[in-house]
Amino acid sequence: DQQVKQNSPSLSVQEGRISILNCDYTNSMFDYFLWYKKYPAEGPTFLISISSIKDKNEDGRFTVFLNKSAKHLSLHIVPSQPGDSAVYFCAAVEGGSSNTGKLIFGQGTTLQVKP
Amino acid sequence: DVKVTQSSRYLVKRTGEKVFLECVQDMDHENMFWYRQDPGLGLRLIYFSYDVKMKEKGDIPEGYSVSREKKERFSLILESASTNQTSMYLCASTADSNQPQHFGDGTRLSIL
Repeated sequence: DQQVKQNSPSLSVQEGRISILNCDYTNSMFDYFLWYKKYPAEGPTFLISISSIKDKNEDGRFTVFLNKSAKHLSLHIVPSQPGDSAVYFCAAVEGGSSNTGKLIFGQGTTLQVKP
Repeated sequence: DVKVTQSSRYLVKRTGEKVFLECVQDMDHENMFWYRQDPGLGLRLIYFSYDVKMKEKGDIPEGYSVSREKKERFSLILESASTNQTSMYLCASTADSNQPQHFGDGTRLSIL
């Protein structure tokens, strides 16, 4: 049972435009969400996170939005650059007494930014 | 800056062999994790550890074991390697459960 889902395996955008990557989850106990970026032959690197008490977090060109009622989060990259081309993973952590720090990952979305 | 080092980038082993994957972190982190990454499945947690000599099963522990004799080192062991364990293996560490995990560059393991 996939608790975190990224339903788009791939996304292609033009340089300078907005990239929007989506993620849905099913477990209402998740209270902390993260986005990781992964280049081929490298480990994932942390990009941005958001706590469930917020609905938006911004860091430079990257913004994460959280819609708790819809159990949906999205990552916006504006403007997109060719160096952003990578696989993006959404991840979630279950909070409360079940907080073990375990990350539950989505399947990943491959972003291609065309020059 | 946090450094998580995995001993091998690429490894080829034979079915039935006992395989050791090593991971070392240099930031005195309490928590360490082993994942495997497969196409279309994302990263799946195999085992994790919150302290020396402590281990917990993740979502897919079958066919694996782990060892944490020292705080900085977390080893993943394939007791008897099988072809379905061919995968990318990723180690991660973090100071506490509410901090982002830092990953190594991965070990691409092929079982023939």
